[in-house]
Order: sequence, then structure tokens, then C-alpha cells
Amino acid sequence: QAVVTQEPSLTVSPGGTVTLTCDSSTGTVTSGHYPYWFQQKPGQAPRTLIYDATNRHSWTPARFSGSLLGGKAALTLSGAQPEDEADYYCLLTYSGARKIFGGGTKLTVL
Amino acid sequence: EVQLLESGGGLVQPGESLTLSCAASGFTFSSYTMTWVRQAPGKGLEWVAGVSGSGGSIYSSDAVKGRFTISRDNFQNTLYLQMNSLRAEDTAVYYCARPLCSGDCWSPGYWGQGTLVTVSS
Repeated sequence: QAVVTQEPSLTVSPGGTVTLTCDSSTGTVTSGHYPYWFQQKPGQAPRTLIYDATNRHSWTPARFSGSLLGGKAALTLSGAQPEDEADYYCLLTYSGARKIFGGGTKLTVL
Repeated sequence: EVQLLESGGGLVQPGESLTLSCAASGFTFSSYTMTWVRQAPGKGLEWVAGVSGSGGSIYSSDAVKGRFTISRDNFQNTLYLQMNSLRAEDTAVYYCARPLCSGDCWSPGYWGQGTLVTVSS
């Protein structure tokens, strides 16, 4: 079974920019993996931020953007706010309805 | 407004069974696949199972295959997860989720608040 890897933790300064990545053990992440990104704050359910690699949901702030970068899926936060401190998870599709989450990135805004 | 309300969690002993429910509202339930995702305490998200809108196609992770069964009642707008032979490692918050698009879309878009299942003697 494939393994999806994310940075365990990252730190960004308020107003700064940070990129989180999502890597697949099977090789290059492509649009065919339909990458999703989720944000989860302590004690809350996850919230979907990005779908199909680059599409923001209607509730997703414009400072979040998704892309495919260097063979990985990427989530870039430009102009970090204190409320962006959270865990971030990616999800990749490998076959049909079978999905694999990444291990998550704990983002600190400090 | 899409609403997903899970119920049925609780404390059970290893080897016992439990059924989770997810009451859906605010959309045409039968038009969407539905998914269960779980999160062990302090750990990441894990996709558990998914079912097509008609209930005719079902997918389960290797970790739960043969023990958990996902099903749905499109008249009651309710999703279920029947969990048998529960193990300590099944302890988690279980989330019900609906995709953003109807039809053959399977990734979670809208999430419920979750229900906690604790397996312990």
C-alpha cells in the first residue's frame, strides 16, 4: 500500500509564507491523484480547504492556494494569520474510492 | 445547509460490536457517495470505508475489511457503520463525510462533528 508523506511540523511568522507538501511513495503526485487539503484545529472536525489539487472551496481564504510542485502536491499559505495555526492533512486517491491520508503537518504561526 | 450528525459511539470491550449512525440533511442523500473517516487520539486521519449513492458499491480499508460494514438507508437519509470484533486500535473519533460533488465523487468535502468510540476492557 502507498504511503503519503507530509512534513511533521512547520513554523511560519505572522504575515509570512509557507509551503506544505504531500509526497507519494509510488512516485510523482499528479492531478490524477485528485489531491485534497484539510485543516483541523484542536477539538474540531477537519475542514476541506483545497480539492483536486488547486481548487479552493467557497469558505477557503484566498491566502491558501494549492498546486503541484516538484512531483508533490503543495499547499501554500501566503500572509499567515494566527488563526491559521492548525494541523493540515492531504489526501490522495490511488484507485477508485480508496484514499490515503498523509500523516499531517502541524503548522505553528509564531 | 449540509448537516451530518453522527451518533452511536461509546465505550465497548474488545471483541464486542457497535453500530454508528450518521443522519444527513440539507441535500439529496441518495445522490452522493458517503464515507467514514476515523482519527485515533492524537493521531492523523484514516479513511475507513465508502459507499456509493445507491449502496451498490462499497470500499473498505484493509485495516477494517471483514470486520466493519458500511451501509446506508436512502429513505431515512442515514449512513451506518457496523463494527464487529472491535480492537483497542479501533479507538478513535469516527467522522461521517460527504463529497463536494454528486455522482462518482468520493473524497470528503463536508464533515460531521464525529463520534468517539473507545475499545477498552
